Parts: sequence; structure tokens; C-alpha cells
Amino acid sequence: DIVMTQSPDSLAVSLGERATINCKSSQSVLYNSNNKNYFAWYQQKPGQPPKLLIYWASTRESGVPERFSGSGSGTEFTLTISSLQAEDVAVYYCQQYYNMPSTFGPGTKVDIK
Amino acid sequence: EVQLLESGGGLEQPGGSLRLSCAASGFTLSNYGMSWVRQAPGKGLEWVSNIYGSSSTYYADSVKGRFTISRDTSKNSLYLQMNSLRVEDTAVYYCAKHSGANCYSPVDYWGQGTLVTVSS
Repeated sequence: DIVMTQSPDSLAVSLGERATINCKSSQSVLYNSNNKNYFAWYQQKPGQPPKLLIYWASTRESGVPERFSGSGSGTEFTLTISSLQAEDVAVYYCQQYYNMPSTFGPGTKVDIK
Repeated sequence: EVQLLESGGGLEQPGGSLRLSCAASGFTLSNYGMSWVRQAPGKGLEWVSNIYGSSSTYYADSVKGRFTISRDTSKNSLYLQMNSLRVEDTAVYYCAKHSGANCYSPVDYWGQGTLVTVSS
């Protein structure tokens, strides 16, 4: 199984400041035939189901604010919130869907400093 | 509008059975990959099982041989039959729709979840 790791476990950022979350996969999730990374980021707020933010590593889901961006390829990925807003307080999960079983990272909790 | 409505959760004893249902609306369930994902209290997300295409199915090792995923195209519904339940199966179970025809695509819609508690 592909193991996903995230760092940090949690972070506190001032309103309007940048938040950066990293995720690593134990093997590449880049499919060479179509040059796509089978990788996504989700946001989960307390008491709610997860919400898709970013897929194919860098494509923003419809309706997701532009302050959220994804980057990386192969085994290393980053989610950036360019200017943290109060409504961004949540746990963020990375996921690979390159192989079955699909696997998630352990999550990164983002709070306001 | 895509909607996923889970039901069937509850309290069950170890060794017992439960059947979860997920009623889908706003799309044709059989045209998309579908998964069950669970989340133990205070823990992260764990993929459980998926189904796509002409009933291709996959299971996490932790539930293989105990859980069975299925769908009913006439009811546009997804199911998870859970047998030989263990305490460690306690979790909120989410029904999840993939964006593509198979499960090698992101989950673009999630249900609100149904809580399964396994305890004596």
C-alpha cells in the first residue's frame, strides 16, 4: 500500500498570513502515460464530511477560493493557503488514488494564531 | 444537485451485522465510481471499499471477507453489508462519489455520514 505522510501535524497562522502543508507519498503517484498525479487535497471542518479542494495535484475544484493552491509531483506535494481566513480553520487531508487501496494522509490541523 | 443520503448505522454488538445504505440523487450512480470511507471518533479518514464499472470491487484488508459492497441501479443506491463486526469498526461511514467512471479519480461528493458503534 502507498503510505501518505503529512507535515506538520498542526499549525497556527495569523489571519491573512500564508499556511503551507506538505504531503509525501511512499511511491510516485505520477502516471507517466497521461502525466497526471493521482493526488488530491480535502478540507474537513468539525462535524462535516470532507470537501474536495484540489485534484490532479494542482487543479482547484469549482467554487474553491483562489487562495487555495496545490503543487508538486511524483512523491512530494504542497497545499498553500495564501492568505488564511477564519473559515479556513479545519483539518486538511491528502489522498492518493493512483493505487488501490486509496490512502489518506493522517491530516494537518490548521488554526488561527 | 448531487445528494448522497446514508442510513442504517446504529449500535451493534461485536460479531453482529449491519447494512448501510446510500441513496443517491442528481446523478446515475452506476456511471461513477463509488466508495465507502470511514472515520473513527477523533481519527483520520480510512478508505473501506469501492465499486465501479461492471461491478469491479475492492476492499481494505481490514474488512476483506467481512464487508460486501453492492449497488442497486433500479434504486440508484449503494450498500455496505457489514458482518462479523468488531469494536474497531466503530466509525462514521461516509458514502462517496468519484468524479470519474472508476475509482482512480477524486471524490467530488460526500454524504453526511452514518455512525456505526460496535460495543457490548
